[in-house]
Amino acid sequence: GAVVSQHPSWVICKSGTSVKIECRSLDFQATTMFWYRQFPKQSLMLMATSNEGSKATYEQGVEKDKFLINHASLTLSTLTVTSAHPEDSSFYICSARSISGEVTDTQYFGPGTRLTVL
Amino acid sequence: AQRVTQPEKLLSVFKGAPVELKCNYSYSGSPELFWYVQYSRQRLQLLLRHISRESIKGFTADLNKGETSFHLKKPFAQEEDSAMYYCALRNNNDMRFGAGTRLTVKP
Repeated sequence: GAVVSQHPSWVICKSGTSVKIECRSLDFQATTMFWYRQFPKQSLMLMATSNEGSKATYEQGVEKDKFLINHASLTLSTLTVTSAHPEDSSFYICSARSISGEVTDTQYFGPGTRLTVL
Repeated sequence: AQRVTQPEKLLSVFKGAPVELKCNYSYSGSPELFWYVQYSRQRLQLLLRHISRESIKGFTADLNKGETSFHLKKPFAQEEDSAMYYCALRNNNDMRFGAGTRLTVKP
C-alpha cells in the first residue's frame, strides 16, 4: 500500500532555532499534503493544507510565518518551525492524498515527528 | 462548519464482548466519513469509510443521516483491537477528526 514517511522521527532543539520536518509520499504522487499537530492525549488538529506548486492554506489560529510549508514536488512537503519555543513542542503528523490510481480517495498518514523545544 | 464528536474518551470491554464506538457529526452537506485506527506506537491508518460499506477486521460502521451518526461496531472484540480510534469527516480536502476513543479489550 501507499506509504508516507517523515524525517526526522524526533528532534530536540534549543529555543529560538528553526527546525525542518520532511514529509514524503514514497510510492505515489500527492497533489495535496496536510500537516497536523497532536498534543498528548488529544486529537489531530489540522494546521494547514498544501497543494503542490502553490501556497499552503492555513487554519485559523496557525501562524503562517511561524510554520512555513513548502510543497515543492508531488512527493515532498516540508514544514519548518521557525524560531521555535517550548510551546511548539508537539507531535507533528503529515498526510498525503493521492491523485491517481486505486488510492485516489485515501489519505495516508506519516508516522509523525516529535518535536521537543528546550 | 463540520464537526465530529466522539463522546467517549475511554472504552473498556472484555474479550468476546460486543463493542460500539460512538461518532456523531454535524455537517450541512453530504458527508464523507471515515474511521481511523492508531495502534500503540504505530501511525494512523484507515480502518474503513462509509462509501465502501465494507467490514474490516470484523468492524462495521453505518452512516445514519437521520441521527447524524457513524458508530463503529464489532460483535466480538479481540485483545488486538485495543487501540485509539478516530472518527473523521471530510469535506473536499478538509479532513476533521474527532477527539478519539481509546479502546481497551481486556482478556
